[in-house]
Amino acid sequence: DGGITQSPKYLFRKEGQNVTLSCEQNLNHDAMYWYRQDPGQGLRLIYYSQIVNDFQKGDIAEGYSVSREKKESFPLTVTSAQKNPTAFYLCATRATSTDTQYFGPGTRLTVL
Amino acid sequence: QKEVEQDPGPLSVPEGAIVSLNCTYSNSAFQYFMWYRQYSRKGPELLMYTYSSGNKEDGRFTAQVDKSSKYISLFIRDSQPSDSATYLCALISGGYQKVTFGTGTKLQVIP
Repeated sequence: DGGITQSPKYLFRKEGQNVTLSCEQNLNHDAMYWYRQDPGQGLRLIYYSQIVNDFQKGDIAEGYSVSREKKESFPLTVTSAQKNPTAFYLCATRATSTDTQYFGPGTRLTVL
Repeated sequence: QKEVEQDPGPLSVPEGAIVSLNCTYSNSAFQYFMWYRQYSRKGPELLMYTYSSGNKEDGRFTAQVDKSSKYISLFIRDSQPSDSATYLCALISGGYQKVTFGTGTKLQVIP
């Protein structure tokens, strides 16, 4: 996970609250991704961004929002519209010259 | 039918054993294949990356791809307790449309 930081490591949310998960990278990678990981379901793509000020929905975007104002940062907001937000959230980056993604250490979100 | 099938395990082996981890897939558009290792409560770490049928070796790890059978494998030789983790296969279609991940196989290497 070197070069990619995610904060906080653990996050607790009350129902009805919006929370924002941070992802910062110093790898100078253009593309950034957000995944959600649940037991037995593997990684599911929430949003991705290939360049600054542009992003696309993934497979499970409902209830989430993102922004990409800087190349280094790709924050994810989990809104109150997300009905089952408890999960492990992973941020990843990719250099456009390669096909491989590199992951951050993750944020574990729990709804109380 | 899922695009990628991976046995969730858990798979328990004694230290020093050869481990075989496998994924099967249904979409012939997948052209690039990766294996990630994920320790508990950590982010996945890239282990191997290959795009052609055949074998690719890196230390104790060998990635094998059989595109005709739509079957990929990761072999771990001389397994160590530190190899205990969940192993995820990841497949990419041509043009990098997206990455499709297997659900992961949990491996435990017993000292």
